[in-house]
Amino acid sequence: ETGVTQTPRHLVMGMTNKKSLKCEQHLGHNAMYWYKQSAKKPLELMFVYSLEERVENNSVPSRFSPECPNSSHLFLHLHTLQPEDSALYLCASSQDRLAGQASSYNEQFFGPGTRLTVL
Amino acid sequence: RKEVEQDPGPFNVPEGATVAFNCTYSNSASQSFFWYRQDCRKEPKLLMSVYSSGNEDGRFTAQLNRASQYISLLIRDSKLSDSATYLCVVNTDKLIFGTGTRLQVFP
Repeated sequence: ETGVTQTPRHLVMGMTNKKSLKCEQHLGHNAMYWYKQSAKKPLELMFVYSLEERVENNSVPSRFSPECPNSSHLFLHLHTLQPEDSALYLCASSQDRLAGQASSYNEQFFGPGTRLTVL
Repeated sequence: RKEVEQDPGPFNVPEGATVAFNCTYSNSASQSFFWYRQDCRKEPKLLMSVYSSGNEDGRFTAQLNRASQYISLLIRDSKLSDSATYLCVVNTDKLIFGTGTRLQVFP
């Protein structure tokens, strides 16, 4: 396995379902990120984990719940989503010079994304 | 005003053409700048970082103008494979992505 992997690649769920997105990075990086990409909108940063601690949470609704059990894995737990949450969810990782400080972003390596459809 | 603004395009250019994209940013305290490339239905990938002195990588040249708060990307001798969306990214304590500029190179 190389780079950043995400599963599943596609997910269709109803508004009452609970599902989880998984991300794994094989690059030895110390920071991981969740982004949302909707049609005709810029990438929106959702969560940042640095050294397995959440350092950023950009006013994301509580129906999205991240989890970072170790520096290689990142999850996004989903429950009672809305149709407007349908989007491409991208995971990324990076090796930050000043771990724990958001201002030290280096190149981010993205996973292929999970295309989520909420019915 | 948006934090990062790009012309969405599309820019339709013939092979061999030179094309330039600009991106403006609103926060003068922005610290670092990048261009990412995103192919259709694929993830973004770093194309190049943008340095104050400007930098070149083959056919690609990136420039930063702090006084006017914009960065640019110049592509020379366009190839069909350059067709993609080019994302401007600005680091202001967090990474802010532009909506991207779509480039379509035709034969």
